[in-house]
Amino acid sequence: EAGVVQSPRYKIIEKKQPVAFWCNPISGHNTLYWYRQNLGQGPELLIRYENEEAVDDSQLPKDRFSAERLKGVDSTLKIQPAELGDSAVYLCASSPLAGGPLRELFFGEGSRLTVL
Amino acid sequence: AQSVSQHNHHVILSEAASLELGCNYSYGGTVNLFWYVQYPGQHLQLLLKYFSGDPLVKGIKGFEAEFIKSKFSFNLRKPSVQWSDTAEYFCAVGDSGGYQKVTFGTGTKLQVIP
Repeated sequence: EAGVVQSPRYKIIEKKQPVAFWCNPISGHNTLYWYRQNLGQGPELLIRYENEEAVDDSQLPKDRFSAERLKGVDSTLKIQPAELGDSAVYLCASSPLAGGPLRELFFGEGSRLTVL
Repeated sequence: AQSVSQHNHHVILSEAASLELGCNYSYGGTVNLFWYVQYPGQHLQLLLKYFSGDPLVKGIKGFEAEFIKSKFSFNLRKPSVQWSDTAEYFCAVGDSGGYQKVTFGTGTKLQVIP
Protein backbone atom coordinates (compact mmCIF):
# COMPACT_ATOMS: atom_id res chain seq x y z
CA GLU A 1 0.00 0.00 0.00
CA ALA A 2 1.37 3.38 -0.97
CA GLY A 3 1.96 5.91 1.78
CA VAL A 4 1.24 9.61 1.84
CA VAL A 5 2.91 11.25 -1.13
CA GLN A 6 4.06 14.84 -1.11
CA SER A 7 5.71 17.02 -3.70
CA PRO A 8 7.98 18.76 -4.18
CA ARG A 9 10.44 17.41 -1.62
CA TYR A 10 12.49 20.59 -1.73
CA LYS A 11 11.71 24.10 -2.88
CA ILE A 12 13.87 27.21 -2.80
CA ILE A 13 12.24 30.52 -3.65
CA GLU A 14 12.82 34.21 -3.12
CA LYS A 15 10.62 36.11 -0.72
CA LYS A 16 7.37 37.46 -2.14
CA GLN A 17 7.18 34.58 -4.61
CA PRO A 18 4.29 32.11 -4.51
CA VAL A 19 4.73 28.42 -3.75
CA ALA A 20 2.43 25.42 -3.71
CA PHE A 21 2.69 21.99 -2.12
CA TRP A 22 0.72 18.92 -3.12
CA CYS A 23 -0.35 15.94 -1.06
CA ASN A 24 -1.90 12.63 -2.01
CA PRO A 25 -3.15 10.80 1.10
CA ILE A 26 -3.43 7.08 1.64
CA SER A 27 -6.33 5.66 -0.31
CA GLY A 28 -9.51 5.60 1.77
CA HIS A 29 -8.27 8.04 4.40
CA ASN A 30 -10.95 10.66 4.91
CA THR A 31 -8.97 12.95 7.19
CA LEU A 32 -6.08 15.03 5.90
CA TYR A 33 -3.80 17.34 7.86
CA TRP A 34 -1.24 19.95 6.94
CA TYR A 35 1.42 20.58 9.56
CA ARG A 36 4.35 23.00 9.56
CA GLN A 37 7.57 22.02 11.28
CA ASN A 38 10.09 24.74 11.99
CA LEU A 39 13.71 23.86 12.69
CA GLY A 40 14.08 22.35 16.14
CA GLN A 41 10.35 22.31 16.76
CA GLY A 42 7.56 19.77 16.61
CA PRO A 43 4.90 19.77 13.91
CA GLU A 44 2.22 22.45 14.27
CA LEU A 45 -1.21 21.97 12.77
CA LEU A 46 -2.17 24.39 10.01
CA ILE A 47 -5.40 22.87 8.74
CA ARG A 48 -7.42 19.67 9.01
CA TYR A 49 -9.90 18.30 6.49
CA GLU A 50 -12.65 15.75 6.91
CA ASN A 51 -13.29 14.72 3.32
CA GLU A 52 -13.43 18.03 1.43
CA GLU A 53 -14.48 20.13 4.43
CA ALA A 54 -11.90 22.15 6.37
CA VAL A 55 -12.96 21.45 9.97
CA ASP A 56 -10.09 23.25 11.69
CA ASP A 57 -8.15 26.05 10.01
CA SER A 58 -7.73 28.20 13.09
CA GLN A 59 -3.93 28.07 12.87
CA LEU A 60 -3.71 28.81 9.15
CA PRO A 61 -2.40 32.35 8.44
CA LYS A 62 -5.17 33.20 6.06
CA ASP A 63 -3.65 36.41 4.77
CA ARG A 64 -1.08 34.46 2.79
CA PHE A 65 -1.87 30.77 3.15
CA SER A 66 -4.64 28.89 1.43
CA ALA A 67 -5.51 25.25 1.07
CA GLU A 68 -7.96 23.16 -0.83
CA ARG A 69 -8.97 19.55 -1.02
CA LEU A 70 -11.05 19.09 -4.11
CA LYS A 71 -13.12 15.92 -4.27
CA GLY A 72 -11.94 14.94 -0.82
CA VAL A 73 -8.72 13.28 -1.99
CA ASP A 74 -5.61 15.27 -3.00
CA SER A 75 -4.84 18.54 -1.31
CA THR A 76 -2.82 21.64 -2.16
CA LEU A 77 -1.33 24.14 0.26
CA LYS A 78 -0.36 27.51 -1.18
CA ILE A 79 1.63 30.42 0.18
CA GLN A 80 1.42 33.77 -1.57
CA PRO A 81 3.52 35.76 -1.07
CA ALA A 82 6.15 33.80 0.84
CA GLU A 83 8.10 35.45 3.64
CA LEU A 84 11.47 34.56 5.15
CA GLY A 85 9.73 33.15 8.23
CA ASP A 86 7.87 30.61 6.12
CA SER A 87 11.02 28.53 5.73
CA ALA A 88 10.07 25.19 7.26
CA VAL A 89 9.10 21.64 6.44
CA TYR A 90 5.46 21.29 5.43
CA LEU A 91 4.07 17.92 6.40
CA CYS A 92 0.96 16.26 5.13
CA ALA A 93 -0.68 13.47 7.12
CA SER A 94 -3.79 11.39 6.71
CA SER A 95 -5.85 9.12 8.91
CA PRO A 96 -8.90 6.96 8.48
CA LEU A 97 -12.21 8.26 9.76
CA ALA A 98 -12.73 5.11 11.77
CA GLY A 99 -10.66 4.24 14.82
CA GLY A 100 -12.00 6.60 17.45
CA PRO A 101 -9.67 8.80 19.49
CA LEU A 102 -6.58 6.76 18.78
CA ARG A 103 -6.51 7.25 15.05
CA GLU A 104 -2.93 7.03 13.89
CA LEU A 105 -1.59 9.80 11.71
CA PHE A 106 0.31 8.63 8.64
CA PHE A 107 2.81 11.24 7.52
CA GLY A 108 4.41 11.98 4.20
CA GLU A 109 8.10 12.78 3.90
CA GLY A 110 7.44 16.50 3.87
CA SER A 111 8.23 19.43 1.60
CA ARG A 112 11.18 21.50 2.74
CA LEU A 113 10.76 25.17 1.86
CA THR A 114 13.62 27.67 1.91
CA VAL A 115 12.75 31.31 1.38
CA LEU A 116 15.68 33.55 0.47
CA ALA B 1 -5.51 24.53 25.10
CA GLN B 2 -3.38 21.44 25.26
CA SER B 3 0.41 21.52 25.29
CA VAL B 4 3.32 19.10 25.49
CA SER B 5 6.77 19.54 27.02
CA GLN B 6 9.75 17.37 26.22
CA HIS B 7 12.59 18.05 28.61
CA ASN B 8 15.55 16.73 26.69
CA HIS B 9 16.38 18.16 23.30
CA HIS B 10 19.37 15.97 22.60
CA VAL B 11 20.33 12.68 24.26
CA ILE B 12 23.48 10.69 23.55
CA LEU B 13 23.73 7.09 24.75
CA SER B 14 25.98 4.13 24.17
CA GLU B 15 24.50 0.92 22.84
CA ALA B 16 22.88 -1.26 25.53
CA ALA B 17 22.25 1.72 27.78
CA SER B 18 18.75 2.26 29.11
CA LEU B 19 16.63 5.07 27.75
CA GLU B 20 14.00 7.28 29.31
CA LEU B 21 12.66 10.33 27.50
CA GLY B 22 10.47 12.69 29.45
CA CYS B 23 7.11 14.01 28.31
CA ASN B 24 4.68 16.15 30.26
CA TYR B 25 1.37 17.37 28.95
CA SER B 26 -1.14 19.98 29.90
CA TYR B 27 -4.82 19.43 29.21
CA GLY B 28 -7.93 19.71 31.31
CA GLY B 29 -9.81 16.73 29.97
CA THR B 30 -9.31 13.14 28.97
CA VAL B 31 -6.30 12.80 26.75
CA ASN B 32 -4.93 10.42 24.20
CA LEU B 33 -1.15 10.17 24.22
CA PHE B 34 1.26 9.20 21.50
CA TRP B 35 4.93 8.81 20.78
CA TYR B 36 6.02 9.25 17.19
CA VAL B 37 9.50 8.58 15.83
CA GLN B 38 11.36 9.96 12.84
CA TYR B 39 14.37 7.95 11.70
CA PRO B 40 16.99 9.78 9.63
CA GLY B 41 15.66 10.44 6.15
CA GLN B 42 12.29 8.91 6.89
CA HIS B 43 8.80 10.17 7.68
CA LEU B 44 7.22 10.42 11.10
CA GLN B 45 5.66 7.17 12.24
CA LEU B 46 3.74 5.97 15.26
CA LEU B 47 5.70 4.24 18.01
CA LEU B 48 2.92 3.69 20.54
CA LYS B 49 -0.30 5.18 21.84
CA TYR B 50 -2.43 5.30 24.99
CA PHE B 51 -6.09 6.03 25.55
CA SER B 52 -7.23 4.08 28.56
CA GLY B 53 -6.65 0.90 30.50
CA ASP B 54 -3.23 -0.36 31.51
CA PRO B 55 -1.04 2.72 31.95
CA LEU B 56 2.01 0.80 30.78
CA VAL B 57 1.86 0.70 27.00
CA LYS B 58 4.11 -1.41 24.83
CA GLY B 59 4.99 -0.31 21.33
CA ILE B 60 7.13 -1.45 18.46
CA LYS B 61 10.84 -2.26 18.64
CA GLY B 62 10.85 -2.87 22.41
CA PHE B 63 9.70 0.60 23.41
CA GLU B 64 7.21 1.21 26.20
CA ALA B 65 5.67 4.24 27.86
CA GLU B 66 4.00 4.77 31.20
CA PHE B 67 1.08 7.10 31.72
CA ILE B 68 1.15 8.67 35.19
CA LYS B 69 -1.97 10.77 35.53
CA SER B 70 -0.95 12.45 38.79
CA LYS B 71 2.23 13.72 37.16
CA PHE B 72 0.72 14.50 33.74
CA SER B 73 3.54 12.45 32.29
CA PHE B 74 3.97 9.90 29.53
CA ASN B 75 7.65 8.97 29.53
CA LEU B 76 9.14 6.73 26.88
CA ARG B 77 11.48 3.93 27.92
CA LYS B 78 13.61 1.20 26.45
CA PRO B 79 15.78 -1.10 28.57
CA SER B 80 18.61 -1.43 26.05
CA VAL B 81 19.03 0.86 23.06
CA GLN B 82 20.56 -0.07 19.73
CA TRP B 83 22.37 2.04 17.17
CA SER B 84 19.28 1.72 14.96
CA ASP B 85 17.25 3.63 17.56
CA THR B 86 19.05 6.82 16.55
CA ALA B 87 16.15 9.08 15.62
CA GLU B 88 14.04 12.01 16.75
CA TYR B 89 11.20 11.20 19.12
CA PHE B 90 8.06 13.29 19.47
CA CYS B 91 5.51 13.07 22.23
CA ALA B 92 2.00 14.13 21.25
CA VAL B 93 -1.32 14.64 22.98
CA GLY B 94 -4.73 14.42 21.38
CA ASP B 95 -7.92 15.68 22.94
CA SER B 96 -10.77 13.25 23.27
CA GLY B 97 -13.17 15.44 21.39
CA GLY B 98 -14.91 14.46 18.24
CA TYR B 99 -12.12 15.34 15.88
CA GLN B 100 -9.05 14.80 18.03
CA LYS B 101 -6.66 17.71 17.65
CA VAL B 102 -3.12 16.37 18.03
CA THR B 103 -0.44 18.63 19.50
CA PHE B 104 3.23 17.67 19.28
CA GLY B 105 6.13 18.39 21.57
CA THR B 106 9.38 19.88 20.33
CA GLY B 107 11.06 16.50 19.99
CA THR B 108 14.13 14.78 21.44
CA LYS B 109 17.01 13.79 19.22
CA LEU B 110 18.50 10.50 20.35
CA GLN B 111 21.98 9.55 19.19
CA VAL B 112 23.14 6.03 20.00
CA ILE B 113 26.87 5.45 19.79
CA PRO B 114 28.01 1.95 18.80
